[in-house]
Amino acid sequence: RKEVEQDPGPFNVPEGATVAFNCTYSNSASQSFFWYRQDCRKEPKLLMSVYSSGNEDGRFTAQLNRASQYISLLIRDSKLSDSATYLCVVNRGAGNNRKLIWGLGTSLAVNP
Amino acid sequence: DADVTQTPRNRITKTGKRIMLECSQTKGHDRMYWYRQDPGLGLRLIYYSFDVKDINKGEISDGYSVSRQAQAKFSLSLESAIPNQTALYFCATRRAGGPNNEQFFGPGTRLTVL
Repeated sequence: RKEVEQDPGPFNVPEGATVAFNCTYSNSASQSFFWYRQDCRKEPKLLMSVYSSGNEDGRFTAQLNRASQYISLLIRDSKLSDSATYLCVVNRGAGNNRKLIWGLGTSLAVNP
Repeated sequence: DADVTQTPRNRITKTGKRIMLECSQTKGHDRMYWYRQDPGLGLRLIYYSFDVKDINKGEISDGYSVSRQAQAKFSLSLESAIPNQTALYFCATRRAGGPNNEQFFGPGTRLTVL
């Protein structure tokens, strides 16, 4: 079993739809969590961090459930430009032993 | 201008050739990383460096070597390329203690080994 697991999709949704992705992690010692976005053949870029209290940035909401060991990303009012792969990233360890574990990504296609 | 640059952007080479991929950054970050990305395997860490002269192996370092010539430069070498090293290679940087532990990626190098 992979340490970080995501549904690869693809998720095909119409413009304006709400879509949610989950990501599960197996190491309970994981410290911090992130969502990165990767456009086709481009580099990953940080979308948002995921805090214990949840956080929201415009149309994007990220939540963490430590008890069940999953994080989620909700996208409201989807735009064509949201089409991308969304990578779940888990940070475990501390200091110089900190290690990022990358999920394989969930592919989203927003259709007109 | 891009903060993290990689050269070359694309390279096709033959088995057994020596290849060097270059990464430069203008962000002033101390930490630099080399990843490869393969379909179905995601991003995997090859090597990382916390500062000049500091080199650490990642999860898949066999067949690769690196050099941190200056804080701004981190190069990856394939001494004798083999076909299963065909992949998309990314360099990334991070500032120690930076917000969100965010890593900033270069645009990638697409390497094909025939």
